[in-house]
Amino acid sequence: DGGITQSPKYLFRKEGQNVTLSCEQNLNHDAMYWYRQDPGQGLRLIYYSQIVNDFQKGDIAEGYSVSREKKESFPLTVTSAQKNPTAFYLCASSGVTRGLYQPQHFGDGTRLSIL
Amino acid sequence: KQEVTQIPAALSVPEGENLVLNCSFTDSAIYNLQWFRQDPGKGLTSLLLIQSSQREQTSGRLNASLDKSSGRSTLYIAASQPGDSATYLCAVQGAQKLVFGQGTRLTINP
Repeated sequence: DGGITQSPKYLFRKEGQNVTLSCEQNLNHDAMYWYRQDPGQGLRLIYYSQIVNDFQKGDIAEGYSVSREKKESFPLTVTSAQKNPTAFYLCASSGVTRGLYQPQHFGDGTRLSIL
Repeated sequence: KQEVTQIPAALSVPEGENLVLNCSFTDSAIYNLQWFRQDPGKGLTSLLLIQSSQREQTSGRLNASLDKSSGRSTLYIAASQPGDSATYLCAVQGAQKLVFGQGTRLTINP
């Protein structure tokens, strides 16, 4: 089945530690996205990538880093510089068909908590 | 800067009712508007996508409309069922990214 796989489902971070969230897609989509969702809030864009080896900062990129070495993979690192990392993190991907944006497909998310 | 607002924040109705969820946005220069469903602790599922040149889209019991000039969209759910209980989010597609509303949490009571 085609889709987006995020792992792990739950993750705990100690003070001063960097952690990496995995996102893999087999939909052959060019664009991939990372969002952060806080309780009762909508989604806020952290980083996005429209093509391999290129990515752009979203609205809340401080304290996060990404890489896009393969089309299928877009890992997100939450660094120790992110002082309030507790949140639900969602990865998405999308394609463009005949110049029209197609719906974004989402993974099931990773819930990050601080120990 | 694009801002998306959803009203109401929460809605509880008895099973079988027809209902409307509202979404408004401040900048009419959009490529499309999307409605998503989110179940607790899960990712988002795309329900309907309306391109900027379209006025509405339908899927089963769901109908979404778009009025770009007034910056509004509505999601109409017919004959609601308990399984429709979830949070519904709208999002507008600008250049390169989606901007989301905060969602409407819908509860359908049996």
